[in-house]
Amino acid sequence: NAGVTQTPKFRILKIGQSMTLQCTQDMNHNYMYWYRQDPGMGLKLIYYSVGAGITDKGEVPNGYNVSRSTTEDFPLRLELAAPSQTSVYFCASSYSFNTQYFGPGTRLTVL
Amino acid sequence: AQKVTQAQTEISVVEKEDVTLDCVYETRDTTYYLFWYKQPPSGELVFLIRRNSFDEQNEISGRYSWNFQKSTSSFNFTITASQVVDSAVYFCALSVSRGSTLGRLYFGRGTQLTVWP
Repeated sequence: NAGVTQTPKFRILKIGQSMTLQCTQDMNHNYMYWYRQDPGMGLKLIYYSVGAGITDKGEVPNGYNVSRSTTEDFPLRLELAAPSQTSVYFCASSYSFNTQYFGPGTRLTVL
Repeated sequence: AQKVTQAQTEISVVEKEDVTLDCVYETRDTTYYLFWYKQPPSGELVFLIRRNSFDEQNEISGRYSWNFQKSTSSFNFTITASQVVDSAVYFCALSVSRGSTLGRLYFGRGTQLTVWP
């Protein structure tokens, strides 16, 4: 099992550009999550999904969108990138309330 | 509301010393889960342990041990005979399984542990 995979690993965006962060898991987990980690801070939840076709906002959803068309994939969309979105993004998955397993992260810089 | 506090921002020790990382949590829920994750310099998040609120038994795994005390709302993590490879940021996290919160993790700010040779 590859676990949770994320692409790309690094990305630099200009203000106003858009991009999609990809997340795929092969553990057949029903729950998936997107977090962001800012320097010196813990992770904060952006969006989560409890199954295909079901998504909901977390603590910091502004500026992001998600979709969940399959159990395996949970992409995160940034529509108009802003410097405040410079962060490291982690995708995670779990089976219901159980332990969340994280992907390797995507380091995003918006200039 | 849920909250996790890791008061120690940075800790430095010399190899073979024991070190304890503190974690204090807040929740009104009676059913909750506590976690520790390790983030080495490479950046990934590695799961270490999960504890549910009904199990206050301490746990030992090799050089790692965890002390869960509901009376003080604490879930502390001790590394015995620390090694350079233990250098990392350690996060304590909390989840509750009620309503719309659906198992989301609430993280502390992390403790940067540096072990010197």
